[in-house]
Amino acid sequence: GENVEQHPSTLSVQEGDSAVIKCTYSDSASNYFPWYKQELGKRPQLIIDIRSNVGEKKDQRIAVTLNKTAKHFSLHITETQPEDSAVYFCAANTGNQFYFGTGTSLTVIP
Amino acid sequence: EAGVAQSPRYKIIEKRQSVAFWCNPISGHATLYWYQQILGQGPKLLIQFQNNGVVDDSQLPKDRFSAERLKGVDSTLKIQPAKLEDSAVYLCASLWGGGETQYFGPGTRLLVL
Repeated sequence: GENVEQHPSTLSVQEGDSAVIKCTYSDSASNYFPWYKQELGKRPQLIIDIRSNVGEKKDQRIAVTLNKTAKHFSLHITETQPEDSAVYFCAANTGNQFYFGTGTSLTVIP
Repeated sequence: EAGVAQSPRYKIIEKRQSVAFWCNPISGHATLYWYQQILGQGPKLLIQFQNNGVVDDSQLPKDRFSAERLKGVDSTLKIQPAKLEDSAVYLCASLWGGGETQYFGPGTRLLVL
C-alpha cells in the first residue's frame, strides 16, 4: 500500500517568516494530495489540495507544490501568523483511499 | 450543508469493557471512513465503506473491533473488549461519490483506563 512520510515533525518560525513542510509518497498511482490543518482538540480541516496533473497551486498565503517524478509534495505558508499554529497533515489519495503523514506541529512565535 | 456528526464526543471506560461510536455522514455521501488517531500521530484508516459495503478493512483489528453501515447511511464502530492502547480519537469522515474532498466529523475521544 501507499506510504506517506512527512518532515519535519516540529517546526518553529517567527511571525512573518515562511514555513515549509515536505511529504513523500510511494505509490505512483496516487493522484490527489490534500493538506489538513488540525488545531488542538478539533477535527482536521482541509486547507489546500492539489491533483496530480498540476504542479503548483496557491491560495492567498498558502501554496502547495507537487513533483510527480520525485514523488514529493510540499506545503508553503508565507507571512506566518500566530493563528497558523497547529498540526498540519499531508495525505495521498489512491482510489478514494487516503494515507496520512505523521503530522508537523507548527508553532508561530509572535 | 450539515457536517459529519459523531457521538459521543468523549468516552471513558475501563479495559475489557465495550464501547460503541456512532457516525452520521453528510447526506448523499456514499463513502464513509473510520480513522483512529493516536495522540501525536496522523489518522490511521480502520475501515472504509462504499454505501453499505466494505471497501477496505485491512487495518481493522477484527478480533476486537467491528463496524457496520446498515442502509448505507449511519455507521457504528464497536470495540469489545477495549485495551489500554485503544485510547485515541476516533474520527469519522465522508466523501461524495464523485468528489475527492473528505469531510471529518468532530471525533470521539476515547480513554481506556
